[in-house]
Amino acid sequence: GAGVSQSPRYKVAKRGQDVALRCDPISGHVSLFWYQQALGQGPEFLTYFQNEAQLDKSGLPSDRFFAERPEGSVSTLKIQRTQQEDSAVYLCASSPSGQGNQPQHFGDGTRLSIL
Amino acid sequence: AQSVAQPEDQVNVAEGNPLTVKCTYSVSGNPYLFWYVQYPNRGLQFLLKYITGDNLVKGSYGFEAEFNKSQTSFHLKKPSALVSDSALYFCAVSFGGSARQLTFGSGTQLTVLP
Repeated sequence: GAGVSQSPRYKVAKRGQDVALRCDPISGHVSLFWYQQALGQGPEFLTYFQNEAQLDKSGLPSDRFFAERPEGSVSTLKIQRTQQEDSAVYLCASSPSGQGNQPQHFGDGTRLSIL
Repeated sequence: AQSVAQPEDQVNVAEGNPLTVKCTYSVSGNPYLFWYVQYPNRGLQFLLKYITGDNLVKGSYGFEAEFNKSQTSFHLKKPSALVSDSALYFCAVSFGGSARQLTFGSGTQLTVLP
């Protein structure tokens, strides 16, 4: 497929467990973003990569959240010692360049539920 | 602080009537403005953007938006609504420079009634 792919689509974990969410951006896209969308809210920025460099992680809510994109393509968002407030949809987006005037292309998200 | 506001949580319109979904922003400088649509259990789909130039921009599925700098608004419009337009709509702003991420409004649920 030509779009942004995220896996798993749904993830249920017990409080305290670690989870890893995967994002496959559109091939060749330089920029990759992670957003968190709480129920009934707009997405909120978590972190941004340009190729393999993490240029902005100001939106990560705590040091339990960690993201990487080691080869400049696939990215993983990891949440350690999950808490109930981490329950949300996590959206990944990519764009062709590093310019802010380019539209971002979104995946369908991973719905994370922490019990 | 830079922000985006969508003052209406819900907009209802009859099929065939024109629709407007409102968005205002607060920012210093010249922002890049976007509209996205979200269907249930799906990601966001890009509709249109304003970067510079003509204040009226046209996008996908017959949608258009009007940029008004004096009112700091970027309202989404469509001349004739379809039932299939029913979805959640988000206005978003990128403030340019080193801040490439999007800041989203809280969303407006559009319902087009047959």
